[in-house]
Amino acid sequence: AQTVTQSQPEMSVQEAETVTLSCTYDTSENNYYLFWYKQPPSRQMILVIRQEAYKQQNATENRFSVNFQKAAKSFSLKISDSQLGDTAMYFCALDAGNMLTFGGGTRLMVKP
Amino acid sequence: DGGITQSPKYLFRKEGQNVTLSCEQNLNHDAMYWYRQDPGQGLRLIYYSQIVNDFQKGDIAEGYSVSREKKESFPLTVTSAQKNPTAFYLCASSIGRGTYEQYFGPGTRLTVT
Repeated sequence: AQTVTQSQPEMSVQEAETVTLSCTYDTSENNYYLFWYKQPPSRQMILVIRQEAYKQQNATENRFSVNFQKAAKSFSLKISDSQLGDTAMYFCALDAGNMLTFGGGTRLMVKP
Repeated sequence: DGGITQSPKYLFRKEGQNVTLSCEQNLNHDAMYWYRQDPGQGLRLIYYSQIVNDFQKGDIAEGYSVSREKKESFPLTVTSAQKNPTAFYLCASSIGRGTYEQYFGPGTRLTVT
């Protein structure tokens, strides 16, 4: 069985500052993929970033980057230069080839 | 524009009635999924389908049924056997099963009273 844990139910950050969202996971598989999805108030799920476990280099997408620590089974998301539009629920997800398992989510509020 | 459509956005039903949620995709994806989301929680997998005329149960399939007669369509029926059907339902699709990105529809909010 695979599990995903997000230990921060809510976070806030001032506009233009940097924030890091935490995620830990557990799987017995060696090959897997990790994702961060964003769910804004519209409730549309949007892929933010994706990381292949076999790649040591951390994925980056514009202002979004991850810190992938395979041995520690940790996959945190860093948002730089936070914008008001980043206000949303953020879900960490793991796919080890069986099914996509989501964490409970972190509600991020960006304050002006 | 390619994408996933779910209808309706809001659905109201009386307890004891079956209800079917629509999900259509024009992305030519083989795999499709149904998730349930309860307030303040993550998504839980109800059913998935890797190919037409085939589908598998997810973590919380009890009280739900699906069909996959066409590649583009994956309707979900919430039966009267589902004890707590009020929730937000999300449909998704991907190129194939496994480690491909899933694309999500806008969701259907089902309220059963």
